[in-house]
Amino acid sequence: DQQVKQNSPSLSVQEGRISILNCDYTNSMFDYFLWYKKYPAEGPTFLISISSIKDKNEDGRFTVFLNKSAKHLSLHIVPSQPGDSAVYFCAASDSGGGADGLTFGKGTHLIIQP
Amino acid sequence: NAGVTQTPKFRILKIGQSMTLQCAQDMNHNYMYWYRQDPGMGLKLIYYSVGAGITDKGEVPNGYNVSRSTTEDFPLRLELAAPSQTSVYFCASSSTGVNSPLHFGNGTRLTVT
Repeated sequence: DQQVKQNSPSLSVQEGRISILNCDYTNSMFDYFLWYKKYPAEGPTFLISISSIKDKNEDGRFTVFLNKSAKHLSLHIVPSQPGDSAVYFCAASDSGGGADGLTFGKGTHLIIQP
Repeated sequence: NAGVTQTPKFRILKIGQSMTLQCAQDMNHNYMYWYRQDPGMGLKLIYYSVGAGITDKGEVPNGYNVSRSTTEDFPLRLELAAPSQTSVYFCASSSTGVNSPLHFGNGTRLTVT
C-alpha cells in the first residue's frame, strides 16, 4: 500500500526548459512534504519542503506546489540545468504521528538533455 | 563538516553471516534513522531512535537490531544475513524528528549471497 506515489519513473527535459515532477499521496494525515535529490552512490540530499498550511514554497530555481484537495504536490525546476540530472524523491510525514521518519515515493529519474 | 558518516561503503556477506553497519553523526541530532532502498523502490524505514537509549521499530525491522548508547552513534546489526537483505542501507539524522529534513549518509551497499 503505497502512501506516496511518484508515477513517472523517469522524465527527460531539455536544458533551459522547465522540469515538473509530480507526487500523489493517499494519507490525509500527512502535513509536511519534502523533496530530496539523489545522485548515484550518494545519499539523498534535502532540496525543498512545504507545510500543509501553504500551497507554494519557492527557493531559487525550485518551487514546490501543494494541492491538498487533490492530495498532489509538484516540484518545478526553472530553468533546468545539467546538474539537475538525478533521482528525485518525494517524501511526506504526519507531524502528529510521532518521530518515525518520512514516507518516501519510489523516485523519478530526471534527465536533463543538453 | 562530516555530517552523517556510514561505514563500510560496500560489503558482501554469505548467507547466515552477521555484520554491523556503522553510522555516526556530528551534528548533535537526537533523532536517527536507518532506511533501506531496494532497486526501483523508495526508502523504507527499518529502525529509528529519538535519543540515546531509546529505539523503536519502523516499517521493516525483521532481521535487524539497533542500539543507541550515545547521541552520535546508531549501529545497525544483521544477525543472520539472508539474500532478502541485499540492499543499500542509509542512515539519517534530524534535529527535531518531525517537520525537519533528514540528513543522510552516503549509504552502505550490502550483497548477501
